[in-house]
Amino acid sequence: QQQVKQSPQSLIVQKGGISIINCAYENTAFDYFPWYQQFPGKGPALLIAIRPDVSEKKEGRFTISFNKSAKQFSLHIMDSQPGDSATYFCAATNYGQNFVFGPGTRLSVLP
Amino acid sequence: NAGVTQTPKFRVLKTGQSMTLLCAQDMNHEYMYWYRQDPGMGLRLIHYSVGEGTTAKGEVPDGYNVSRLKKQNFLLGLESAAPSQTSVYFCASSRTGDSYGYTFGSGTRLTVV
Repeated sequence: QQQVKQSPQSLIVQKGGISIINCAYENTAFDYFPWYQQFPGKGPALLIAIRPDVSEKKEGRFTISFNKSAKQFSLHIMDSQPGDSATYFCAATNYGQNFVFGPGTRLSVLP
Repeated sequence: NAGVTQTPKFRVLKTGQSMTLLCAQDMNHEYMYWYRQDPGMGLRLIHYSVGEGTTAKGEVPDGYNVSRLKKQNFLLGLESAAPSQTSVYFCASSRTGDSYGYTFGSGTRLTVV
């Protein structure tokens, strides 16, 4: 019940395409869902986050879609760029009681 | 620059040796965490602290100890290193338990031979 599942494990997208990464959770106590971006040799950095009272959040080219009933959420990267090539982690937390990360998705955007 | 600083950045240990990883933050954050990152496993919480003088176990605490004697520092100790502890270790801090305030360090790559 503490798991966050993430897919795909790796993703290759052409420049200008849409990258989509999906996550699913079981614990209904989770109430905050962030996405982290990690470049090689660096620590993860917060990219965008959503709370379950909204179904979508958009920041620039990055959008989170949230489906509370299905316990799923996804990250969409529009107009993907080579600079977006990184590993992306979804996560879920309930304000200090639990911190769970997905296994990560390695995104490669081809020029 | 404000943030989370981890030392050392790289370390090679022999099985059975001990070492301490240091995490320091200058953002006056209450919460601090230690994670390990392994291929295909994501980030797994080892121990965390909700304030000076407090510590708590995370998902994978065995073989590790921690101390939070000062608010800005969180130490992770390996008493008797094992090859299974070969990993990249990340420290993070946050204002509260809210993940929105999470700031990660740049990591320590530890190899146990």
